[in-house]
Amino acid sequence: TQLLEQSPQFLSIQEGENLTVYCNSSSVFSSLQWYRQEPGEGPVLLVTVVTGGEVKKLKRLTFQFGDARKDSSLHITAAQPGDTGLYLCAGARGGADGLTFGKGTHLIIQP
Amino acid sequence: KAGVTQTPRYLIKTRGQQVTLSCSPISGHRSVSWYQQTPGQGLQFLFEYFSETQRNKGNFPGRFSGRQFSNSRSEMNVSTLELGDSALYLCASSLMTQYEQYFGPGTRLTVT
Repeated sequence: TQLLEQSPQFLSIQEGENLTVYCNSSSVFSSLQWYRQEPGEGPVLLVTVVTGGEVKKLKRLTFQFGDARKDSSLHITAAQPGDTGLYLCAGARGGADGLTFGKGTHLIIQP
Repeated sequence: KAGVTQTPRYLIKTRGQQVTLSCSPISGHRSVSWYQQTPGQGLQFLFEYFSETQRNKGNFPGRFSGRQFSNSRSEMNVSTLELGDSALYLCASSLMTQYEQYFGPGTRLTVT
């Protein structure tokens, strides 16, 4: 059983459309991070959210941490081809487990 | 600042052999984590080192081991390689344990 479930697994949309991807868990996290990974490269950190209900914006990307700190969402407005990539969420719970990553959402923005 | 570097970038090994991968973290980062990424399982945590001590460990067999040196550079070793060990191995450094990760480009290991 995956601790962090991301949905959808794959998403292909046209340039200019809006989209939301989700990261859900039954566990509480002290913080949650979002990364984007492009082919042949390591993931790059986009944002960290730490407070329940927190909303952070990064240009056209809006990240939200659930009130109970069990889930998060990433909303992209007016998607562009440069947004194409694998979006990963990762949760920290403290203890000896290390960061837990979801399997990711493969996003393709078609021109 | 220079980013995280990993060597080698690509490696082909035969079943039963062992392999050592190297990672140099961002200057000033004392935490180094290792991950295995495969299409089926995604990104899975192997272990984390902080100030030369293993702080966290994922659910991998004992064939996977690592260490960290006093300059924060880290190595991971996989002994008795299996076909299923073929993967992208990613190293990430951070200021503190479980904090924001800065990833290297990875080492692509192929076991034949």
